[in-house]
Amino acid sequence: RKEVEQDPGPFNVPEGATVAFNCTYSNSASQSFFWYRQDCRKEPKLLMSVYSSGNEDGRFTAQLNRASQYISLLIRDSKLSDSATYLCVVNMDNQFYFGTGTSLTVIP
Amino acid sequence: NAGVTQTPKFRILKIGQSMTLQCTQDMNHNYMYWYRQDPGMGLKLIYYSVGAGITDKGEVPNGYNVSRSTTEDFPLRLELAAPSQTSVYFCASSYRAMNTEAFFGQGTRLTVV
Repeated sequence: RKEVEQDPGPFNVPEGATVAFNCTYSNSASQSFFWYRQDCRKEPKLLMSVYSSGNEDGRFTAQLNRASQYISLLIRDSKLSDSATYLCVVNMDNQFYFGTGTSLTVIP
Repeated sequence: NAGVTQTPKFRILKIGQSMTLQCTQDMNHNYMYWYRQDPGMGLKLIYYSVGAGITDKGEVPNGYNVSRSTTEDFPLRLELAAPSQTSVYFCASSYRAMNTEAFFGQGTRLTVV
């Protein structure tokens, strides 16, 4: 069983759309949670950390549900520059566990 | 700050050859990691280190070795390269084990032929 599972997509959405990505994790002892963004042939970069109370950064909102072991990312008013792969990441026992990523393409 | 620096960026190896992927960070991070990323498979942890002199296996350590003689450097050694080791390799570091992000190097694209 994978530690972190994501819908791989692809998601193809028009500019201005709202899109949501979901992620589940298997181990309830997981300690911290993140969304990373990875552009084609580049290294992953932190998009935002995810907190139990939920957090927002501009057009991006992340939610964590520890009881359901579920993490979400909402992107509002999608821009062409949002096209990338979004990785759900869980930290536990000195290790970061990565989902396989969800591919997003924003279409003009 | 340079952050996490990996060399080389690209390499082609023949089956059975050996090489060392270099990784250095200038952020004084205790934790360092090596991942490989195959297409559509996500990042898989090869080895990690919680500090100088301490290393531990990740999910896919077979065919690799590491050492951590200094805080800054965490080289990954491939012995007897095989086609299955064709992948993109990422080195990462973090300040502590939790509630902190991991910073990645730009990656090494390795092809074994």
